[in-house]
Order: sequence, then C-alpha cells, then structure tokens
Amino acid sequence: GAVVSQHPSWVICKSGTSVKIECRSLDFQATTMFWYRQFPKQSLMLMATSNEGSKATYEQGVEKDKFLINHASLTLSTLTVTSAHPEDSSFYICSADQGRGYEQYFGPGTRLTVT
Amino acid sequence: GENVEQHPSTLSVQEGDSAVIKCTYSDSASNYFPWYKQELGKRPQLIIDIRSNVGEKKDQRIAVTLNKTAKHFSLHITETQPEDSAVYFCAAMRGSNYKLTFGKGTLLTVNP
Repeated sequence: GAVVSQHPSWVICKSGTSVKIECRSLDFQATTMFWYRQFPKQSLMLMATSNEGSKATYEQGVEKDKFLINHASLTLSTLTVTSAHPEDSSFYICSADQGRGYEQYFGPGTRLTVT
Repeated sequence: GENVEQHPSTLSVQEGDSAVIKCTYSDSASNYFPWYKQELGKRPQLIIDIRSNVGEKKDQRIAVTLNKTAKHFSLHITETQPEDSAVYFCAAMRGSNYKLTFGKGTLLTVNP
C-alpha cells in the first residue's frame, strides 16, 4: 500500500517552454503533497506544500509564479515549470502523506532537462 | 527554520564492518526523524524512523539512536553488505507542519 506515482519519469524540453509534472497517490487519499527538487549530488530541497483545494505554500526563495502547483483532488497534484530555463534542469520528486502525520511516501521522481 | 547537519559526507567500509552516520538538528520542536536510502536516479526509500519519545529503535541490521538533549541522532548499520552502498539522508520534521528538512547526505560505499 501507499504507492505514489509520477508522470512523466523524464522529460526534455526547450528553453522558454512549460512542463507539467503529475503526482498521484494510487491507493490512498493524500491530505498533503510535497514537492522537492534535487540537483545532482545534492540533497532534497522542499519547494512547496500543497493541500487539496487550497493554494500551495512555497518555501522561501521558490518563485510561485514560475512553479505552479495545483492540488485538484485528494489523489492528484501537479507541478508546472513555466518558461523553463537550463538552470531548472533537476530531479523533481513529490511525496504524499495519508493524513496520519509523519511518514511521507515518495514518488519515483521526474528528471527534467531543459535545453 | 530547521537546519540539519549530516556527517560524514562519504564513508567507505569493508563488507561486514559497521557504518555510523550522524546528524544534528537545530529546532527543538522537531519530533520525527526518518532515515532514507537513495540509489542513483531513484526515489528516497525509508529505512528506519524514530519519534522524539523514543531513544533507540532497531530493525535487523539497522538501528537509530536519538539524543533529544543534544539534538542529534545517528544511523547504525551492522554487518554491511555491498548492496547497502547508496546515499543515505537523515531528515527532521516538526509535527506541527509535517515539513521534512534533509541533511546533505552520506555516500556509503561497502567494499567486497
């Protein structure tokens, strides 16, 4: 149980275009979903927290107009990277919790390459 | 906000030896401390976690200890095997907001 999926697993896009990444909880309803970014050989950095039906809360230094998060249902959150640039190339990982607190379930990640 | 320091950044051991990774945290309100194993290009995998009301937890070859007073916690892996080679991350969470703050990671290499 507690499976989280992400789509796509990898994507290459051209500079200036937008990319949407989906995060789904497959067998549970996710009260909260989290989006992380991980650059090569670095740690996971929390970008934002999203709750179903409400606006996402962004961490300091994360541009909310560039990284659009929509949490339309209890099983789906999307991250849209708008006007992507090469420096946005990274591994984007989502996680979800079941509303019982503490343990988060991670998606497999999406490798974004902006050329 | 929370700050988590992790040491060492790299650790190389011989198969069968023990490995210890240490983390310190800054926010005394943090009350949940998970450890993750991440292989290259994969998702972080929870290997063990501990809550602040417990001082030690063990699961087969893996154990975690927590010292709330000193604000540090450690991961202990005994009888290491080559398949234990990966990057290990510690993290801390404050139960009021459920946000995880990660350490910078430790690259563990177990040599056969």
